[in-house]
Amino acid sequence: GEDVEQSLFLSVREGDSSVINCTYTDSSSTYLYWYKQEPGAGLQLLTYIFSNMDMKQDQRLTVLLNKKDKHLSLRIADTQTGDSAIYFCAGSKTSYDKVIFGPGTSLSVIP
Amino acid sequence: EPEVTQTPSHQVTQMGQEVILRCVPISNHLYFYWYRQILGQKVEFLVSFYNNEISEKSEIFDDQFSVERPDGSNFTLKIRSTKLEDSAMYFCASKTGSAGELFFGEGSRLTVL
Repeated sequence: GEDVEQSLFLSVREGDSSVINCTYTDSSSTYLYWYKQEPGAGLQLLTYIFSNMDMKQDQRLTVLLNKKDKHLSLRIADTQTGDSAIYFCAGSKTSYDKVIFGPGTSLSVIP
Repeated sequence: EPEVTQTPSHQVTQMGQEVILRCVPISNHLYFYWYRQILGQKVEFLVSFYNNEISEKSEIFDDQFSVERPDGSNFTLKIRSTKLEDSAMYFCASKTGSAGELFFGEGSRLTVL
């Protein structure tokens, strides 16, 4: 079955770039997602990438996909204190299948 | 902007009591899901629902759990006889099925005493 792994913690200084990494085991994952969860809140879909893409950019967010290595990353440019949250990598086999989540990376932004 | 809504936001119950958590998915979505997140842990899939039936369920979703779409808008999760270990945040989510985006509600926090 699908398994998704992430490093658990990342700390960056305000204004620097953050890079959150993820690896997944199931090569049939066609949709790969990044979600953000602030304390006590729900899961906010930040962005997703389809498996036939290498990169997707959306304002300060850049997603890179290395399908050969099953590696996904999320880069946040000019990280702000409001970016402090848990970031979940997730994958799904089809547009209607369940989404499987990684353990989440807790991002701390130091002012 | 359309959103998934969940009620109640927080429910406290005694062990052994039945609980119903309610969700209103986004109106043009066809695929519905329940997930749970025990405090500080990962987001775990419970069940998916399409065309008025369960399409997939996890090992967590045992006989104590059931889901229902009683009308055209609500999607409910029932826990028949709650246990202490059912204490968690329960998230409802929905997808159109043609696009990959999965949208979540704000969650219902269940505390079992």
